[in-house]
Amino acid sequence: QSVLTQPPSVSAAPGQKVTISCSGSSSNIGDHYVSWYQQLPGTAPKLLIYDNNKRPSGIPDRFSGSKSGTSATLGITGLQTGDEADYYCGTWDSRLTAGVFGGGTKLTVL
Amino acid sequence: QVQLHESGPGLVEPSQTLSLTCTVSGDSISSGGHYWTWIRQPAGKGLEWIGRILSVGSTNYNPSLKNRVTISVDTSKNQFSLNLSSVTAADTAVYYCARRYCSSDSCWFDSWGQGTLVTVTS
Repeated sequence: QSVLTQPPSVSAAPGQKVTISCSGSSSNIGDHYVSWYQQLPGTAPKLLIYDNNKRPSGIPDRFSGSKSGTSATLGITGLQTGDEADYYCGTWDSRLTAGVFGGGTKLTVL
Repeated sequence: QVQLHESGPGLVEPSQTLSLTCTVSGDSISSGGHYWTWIRQPAGKGLEWIGRILSVGSTNYNPSLKNRVTISVDTSKNQFSLNLSSVTAADTAVYYCARRYCSSDSCWFDSWGQGTLVTVTS
């Protein structure tokens, strides 16, 4: 059971928009920045979003992040088949003094 | 460009100790400021944070693994290592090493190794 809660799967058609939620508590999301990672099949995770809403260089602006209270959201617009992947949120938990991840969300582009 | 590479046995017998090493290039572990981390992923499952170490040797571990995990650093070789004792089949996973880059009061995993599969089997 992951400390952060994500929906197991989401789907949408090419060109559409999708959001992935990440729910936590005051000791993790509520108190720390959130980052998001994309994991394509058979590869290592890749940083998509850091500091709740910042994109590393090379990440297109189709990807966005936001945070409110103890929840965070990843948004992807203009969906492409190449976006099919697992997406994970992550942060630090002050109560556990440990890093924590969501259980991951599988994105299917229909 | 920071690169990380995991190495170690792909097979470990039950009750033995799993030992992996992560070799870092493109950054000096001893420069400080960042956390060097181990993360694992069982087949078909999500990411699990195992633990982290700073260049000075201070560590934090996942409470669920704390009694079995040791992470150490060798700054002379620019490497950090993971030891996980008393392994069972539940420890079978792809193990990743990663750099947790920190800026001001925020940190994130900006660089990952390619991962190495460790199977616990007799």
